[in-house]
Amino acid sequence: TAGITQAPTSQILAAGRSMTLRCTQDMRHNAMYWYRQDLGLGLRLIHYSNTAGTTGKGEVPDGYSVSRANTDDFPLTLASAVPSQTSVYFCASSDLPEGTDTQYFGPGTRLTVL
Amino acid sequence: RKEVEQDPGPFNVPEGATVAFNCTYSNSASQSFFWYRQDCRKEPKLLMSVYSSGNEDGRFTAQLNRASQYISLLIRDSKLSDSATYLCVVNPKYSSASKIIFGSGTRLSIRP
Repeated sequence: TAGITQAPTSQILAAGRSMTLRCTQDMRHNAMYWYRQDLGLGLRLIHYSNTAGTTGKGEVPDGYSVSRANTDDFPLTLASAVPSQTSVYFCASSDLPEGTDTQYFGPGTRLTVL
Repeated sequence: RKEVEQDPGPFNVPEGATVAFNCTYSNSASQSFFWYRQDCRKEPKLLMSVYSSGNEDGRFTAQLNRASQYISLLIRDSKLSDSATYLCVVNPKYSSASKIIFGSGTRLSIRP
């Protein structure tokens, strides 16, 4: 199985432009997450979704929005990108609440905002 | 104090050596604990969960000390392929992964 896929792999974006980072999982996990990883700060949760149709804010949600129309897809949108959103973005999923809280990560999207 | 704290390293040890690092956490009510491994420019991957009684997986041993609020990872007979960043992960609420906290990671470099 593919697990979790993310697209694009990398992107350079002009400040002020919008962009959607795509995330798809084929494990039928209920819960999905978006993290950003910056040097020295570790992984920080942006938004999460416990099940299709619901979303919640994480530690650093400002400037980002998500939707969860179905189980498999969890896109992350930057409405108007700013340079501070330059980061590596990881999508993850877990089998909660039925299973464990172990998280499985996609390969990441490397985003540079100029 | 950070909620999850790790020595950033880098730890630079020769192949075959034993290396150990700790991670401290601030929330005494935390319920589940993990070590993830992250290779350069790659996604984090689960290395092992950490159980109260301690657990071993081949050359890797993880332990939890609730009284002192730390978890540890011991790697025996280290291999070149063990070079990576090791992330300590703590979940204060088992039923929800939205509260999971990742440490900043400890870099390990194994030299020939």
